[in-house]
Amino acid sequence: AQKITQTQPGMFVQEKEAVTLDCTYDTSDPSYGLFWYKQPSSGEMIFLIYQGSYDQQNATEGRYSLNFQKARKSANLVISASQLGDSAMYFCAIQVGGGSNYKLTFGKGTLLTVNP
Amino acid sequence: DARVTQTPRHKVTEMGQEVTMRCQPILGHNTVFWYRQTMMQGLELLAYFRNRAPLDDSGMPKDRFSAEMPDATLATLKIQPSEPRDSAVYFCASGLVSSGGRGRKQETQYFGPGTRLLVL
Repeated sequence: AQKITQTQPGMFVQEKEAVTLDCTYDTSDPSYGLFWYKQPSSGEMIFLIYQGSYDQQNATEGRYSLNFQKARKSANLVISASQLGDSAMYFCAIQVGGGSNYKLTFGKGTLLTVNP
Repeated sequence: DARVTQTPRHKVTEMGQEVTMRCQPILGHNTVFWYRQTMMQGLELLAYFRNRAPLDDSGMPKDRFSAEMPDATLATLKIQPSEPRDSAVYFCASGLVSSGGRGRKQETQYFGPGTRLLVL
């Protein structure tokens, strides 16, 4: 079975600074994908970024980048130039294998607060 | 801007009543997922469908929960009878399969806004 661990229940960052949210995973499958979602206080889950296990380069999407360290089984989310609107819960998730099974396993989340 | 829609957004009901939640997946997506989110358990997968066929409902309490896809544009999650412990936010997500590296396929799930259920 696969597992996601997010060790930071909460993080604080000053506006305009960068912040790294940690995510480690555990799976024995060589083929997997890692996802990050954002959940603001309004409640919706917003897809941010994806990294495949075979991807050679770290994924980037605007101010979001994924620091993928395969040997360490970590997939940390980096948010550059934090904005007040980045305050939210952030969930890391893993999708293992493929075929017809695309279930996601989520971590417990990290609550990010951006201070003005 | 295609989105998953869910109705109702909020539901307050009394214990023992039937609750039906509806989801309209993004047009063209052929996989639908139902999740439940609580403070204690986090996000739990209840069931999912591909091409309207149920693939996995092992996370769903069978005695009171049921999930269906009457057609490609509608998924339903029903609780009968509801209990206070069912109070949670219920999310629907729809998925789009795409090709990843080395022939691997991935599926990005796009979530609806959720139904916030309170059972008194």
